[in-house]
Amino acid sequence: EVQLVESGGDLIQPGRSLRLSCAASGFSFRDFAMHWVRQAPGKGLEWVSGITWNSGNIEYADSVKGRFTVSRDNAKNSLYLHVNSLRVDDTAFYYCIKASGRRSFEWSPFEHWGLGTLVTVSS
Amino acid sequence: DIVMTQSPDSLAVSLGERATINCKSSQSVLSSFNNRHYLAWYMQKPGHPPKLLIYWASTRESGVPDRFSGSGSGTDFTLSISSLQAEDVAVYYCQQYYSTPLTFGGGTKVEIK
Repeated sequence: EVQLVESGGDLIQPGRSLRLSCAASGFSFRDFAMHWVRQAPGKGLEWVSGITWNSGNIEYADSVKGRFTVSRDNAKNSLYLHVNSLRVDDTAFYYCIKASGRRSFEWSPFEHWGLGTLVTVSS
Repeated sequence: DIVMTQSPDSLAVSLGERATINCKSSQSVLSSFNNRHYLAWYMQKPGHPPKLLIYWASTRESGVPDRFSGSGSGTDFTLSISSLQAEDVAVYYCQQYYSTPLTFGGGTKVEIK
């Protein structure tokens, strides 16, 4: 069974930094693209970042480009999101997502979602 | 960026009746390489993460009841629920995965009338 468990969310002041983690199990992590999507409380879904299976292609939403960095450690079956220069409008649940395409060089549907970790940015 | 526009924002349907949700992309999400539309539908129940229902515009994910169906082409797509059940109350999102930034529609809230 695929499991994605996010951690690292916290109440944090504007301008500070945080590292979100996602521990993956139940599938061959090294073979699949992974993504982060966020959802502000009561709002819609916003794609944040994606990283292909081999880290050959990494993309970001314009709203986080230059502030957020996605990475993966295939040996540890883990996905990370380093979030810097946090702003109040970064407040959201951050979901870790496994895409469906095995060793794909194009983006594919979001097949499995974690339960999310809440980042609250407030002074 | 490809903008995804859903309609309506919400709808109330009687149990057993059909629910139809529309999604329009600001540009084509059809790949000339494989002739597939890079369009997915997700369902999000309150307090839960989204769940994949449909991909390639019309392919049901494993385990999704066959009352859910996706259709459309070009820039206009539809998610239909043929006979609404109580457990279908949720917010539904369309998404294009054709090009980054990967974008979602604003969501459609489905309720029981």
